[in-house]
Amino acid sequence: DIVMTQSPDSLAVSLGERATINCKSSQSVLYKSNNKNYLAWYQQKPRQPPKLLIYWASTRESGVPDRFSGSGSGTDFTLTISSLQAEDVAVYYCQQAYTTPLTFGGGTKVEI
Amino acid sequence: EVQVLESGGGLVQPGGSLRLSCAASGFTFSNYAMSWVRQAPGKGLEWVSAISGSGGLTYYADSVKGRFTTSRDNSKNTLYLQMNSLRAEDTAVYYCAKYHDEDGSPGFFDYWGQGALVTVSS
Repeated sequence: DIVMTQSPDSLAVSLGERATINCKSSQSVLYKSNNKNYLAWYQQKPRQPPKLLIYWASTRESGVPDRFSGSGSGTDFTLTISSLQAEDVAVYYCQQAYTTPLTFGGGTKVEI
Repeated sequence: EVQVLESGGGLVQPGGSLRLSCAASGFTFSNYAMSWVRQAPGKGLEWVSAISGSGGLTYYADSVKGRFTTSRDNSKNTLYLQMNSLRAEDTAVYYCAKYHDEDGSPGFFDYWGQGALVTVSS
């Protein structure tokens, strides 16, 4: 199984400041045949289901604010919130879709 | 508008069975693979199973293989999760999730239900 490791477990960021979350996979999730990284990011607020933010490691889902961006390739990925807003307080998860079993990182809690 | 809505959760004794349903609307259900993802209280997300749009292919996490069965009825736009031999560690909110792209795409989930709570306890 591909193990997804996120860091940090939690972080506190001031309003308007940058938040950076890291995700590392135990093996590459880059498909060489199409040069795509099978990596997604989700946001989960309390008592709500997860929401897809980013897929293919860097493609923003429709309707997601452009302060959210994803980067990285192979085994190392980053989710960046460029200017944290109050509504961004949540737990963020990375997930690999390279192979089954699909696996998620342990989550990163972002607070103000 | 795309909607997925789980039902069938509840309290069950260890060793018991339960069937969850997920009613989908707002998209061509048979064109999309679907998954079940669970979340134990206060914990992270765990993928449980997936099923292709036709229902001909299914995939399971090792933790539920042989005990859980995922199926779908495309005529009713409904996804099912039959859970047998339930254990305390199966206690979780179970989410139904739609694949982002049509059948054959990787498992990125763009729509999730609100979840169904399954509690396994005596």
